[in-house]
Amino acid sequence: GENVEQHPSTLSVQEGDSAVIKCTYSDSASNYFPWYKQELGKRPQLIIDIRSNVGEKKDQRIAVTLNKTAKHFSLHITETQPEDSAVYFCAASKVDTGNQFYFGTGTSLTVIP
Amino acid sequence: DVKVTQSSRYLVKRTGEKVFLECVQDMDHENMFWYRQDPGLGLRLIYFSYDVKMKEKGDIPEGYSVSREKKERFSLILESASTNQTSMYLCASSLYQIGGELFFGEGSRLTVL
Repeated sequence: GENVEQHPSTLSVQEGDSAVIKCTYSDSASNYFPWYKQELGKRPQLIIDIRSNVGEKKDQRIAVTLNKTAKHFSLHITETQPEDSAVYFCAASKVDTGNQFYFGTGTSLTVIP
Repeated sequence: DVKVTQSSRYLVKRTGEKVFLECVQDMDHENMFWYRQDPGLGLRLIYFSYDVKMKEKGDIPEGYSVSREKKERFSLILESASTNQTSMYLCASSLYQIGGELFFGEGSRLTVL
């Protein structure tokens, strides 16, 4: 099956700096890659996603890039703020397994004021 | 606003007990999922369901079963709880079978003594 690896497991940045979280996947047939944010004690929520027919997607301070050849995708957060502190999960999915997502192990991001 | 409700936020059970975790969604979603969340292991899929009375095994189904008698309700059952099932359990639902956003519940933290 699919294997998603996520790095780093923890990340600390100063407020205003950028943060980058990277994921790799093993199954070249995967074609949908969402990112979820989980604040402490709360449920995971979708923050951005990308499909395999595009290489980059932006939404205000967050962006996701996808390199299909290398089978990796990354989350970029610019101008980080304390409220960005959370655990971030990447995931991969492919059409013929329906909505079965394979999640990375998570990155705990701390933004230091 | 989609709401996924898990009946119990915290449970403490004894080894060998039968445990029911209930999940209800109010948006008429076809797809429902049970994940287990452990530190350093991310989110792992236990079971999922695309329709009433339908169920499919995920990556770690051993020791668990599920029930989906009604579209809005998906139950996770631990027939005989063991200490290695101490974990956070997350229920999720989605509208689209392929590549749709997962809406998570708040989670049920189960401790098995």
